[in-house]
This record gives sequence, C-alpha cells and structure tokens, in this order.
Amino acid sequence: DAGVIQSPRHEVTEMGQEVTLRCKPISGHNSLFWYRQTMMRGLELLIYFNNNVPIDDSGMPEDRFSAKMPNASFSTLKIQPSEPRDSAVYFCASSTQTASYEQYFGPGTRLTVT
Amino acid sequence: KNQVEQSPQSLIILEGKNCTLQCNYTVSPFSNLRWYKQDTGRGPVSLTIMTFSENTKSNGRYTATLDADTKQSSLHITASQLSDSASYICVVSPSNDYKLSFGAGTTVTVRA
Repeated sequence: DAGVIQSPRHEVTEMGQEVTLRCKPISGHNSLFWYRQTMMRGLELLIYFNNNVPIDDSGMPEDRFSAKMPNASFSTLKIQPSEPRDSAVYFCASSTQTASYEQYFGPGTRLTVT
Repeated sequence: KNQVEQSPQSLIILEGKNCTLQCNYTVSPFSNLRWYKQDTGRGPVSLTIMTFSENTKSNGRYTATLDADTKQSSLHITASQLSDSASYICVVSPSNDYKLSFGAGTTVTVRA
C-alpha cells in the first residue's frame, strides 16, 4: 500500500497567487481530513469529508480556502488568494471510519507564501 | 473545552538512555488515546492506541500507559536510539466524534 499521497511536497508562491494542494487517500478509506500544522497552533482540522461529501468545514479559516473531493481517490485544497500567514504544512489524512479508527497521514505539503 | 497538554515541550537525551513523556487531557467523553511519532518533514505515524480499559500498551521500545481516572498518559522510550529523534504527539479521540484533540507535541532529540 502506497499510503496517503500528497503533492506537491513543497510549494513556494507569492502573495496573491492561487495555490492548489492535492491528496490521494488510501484505497478503501471513506473518510478524508485536511489539517494545517504550524509551530504556534499545532495540528488543526480544516475540513472533513465522508464518502466524498464535506461533513464539517468549520475549520476552514476564511473564504479564501476551499476544498473538493470529486471522487473517492482524489481531493484538493485550494487557497485563493494566498497570504503570508497561510504558510504552514498541510496534511491530508484518511481513515476507514471516523473517531475510533486510525487516521493515516500523508507526508504533507510545506507551503511558503512570500 | 477539550484540551490535551504535553510535557515537556522538548528534551535532549543521550543514546541508550530512557525517557518519559507526559500527556494530560480533558477530552470527554473519551474513546481512545494515541501516541503519534512525527519525524522531521514527515506526517505523524501512530505508535500506540489505548482505549478506556487499557492501562499499558507496548510497541517495541515504546511503552504507553493510560490512567483514565486521572486522565493522564505517558510514553516511555527505552534504550533510545538516534532514530527516536522526532516529535511525539498525544492525540485523544472523543466518543462519537471525528474531531481529534491534538497535543502540541514533545520534541525529543537523541544525541550520540
């Protein structure tokens, strides 16, 4: 099993540009999570999908952030326009169920907005 | 408010020595507690998981304990190796809720 796949691994962009992060969950997992990790705030849940449907997006910081899951094997997190304070590591995780089952994290995308 | 607090924030130990990390939580109702290891530049990887009825769980040189009454957990690393250098994150899962509560992590540095 290849695990959760994320791309790109690193992204450097200028303020105001659009950024798209990609995630391929583990095959067979029906739950997908996007997290943001910073030194100040640790890991924060941004959005949770179950069976490709967004269940909870209350963690999405602003309207500049949007996420989609068009099918069971692909999800995107988009930031438009990006700002320097969006600089962080963004993780995608998947699981077979919610809560009681282990979430498997991808390697993350390190985003730097200058 | 569900909270998870870890201590110490960081520690340095010599290769071959033991260390213990602490985690206190206020998450309720409680389902399970996991310790994750996060290597630099990688995503977190689960080391152990414990439910309410479990007191101890081992994974190689890693041993986790749980006291559900006092809402405390510890992770003990035995005979540390250079590869143990990482951040260790305590994660608590509430019952019937997908929102995990994450600790800030303890950064462990093992020196030769």
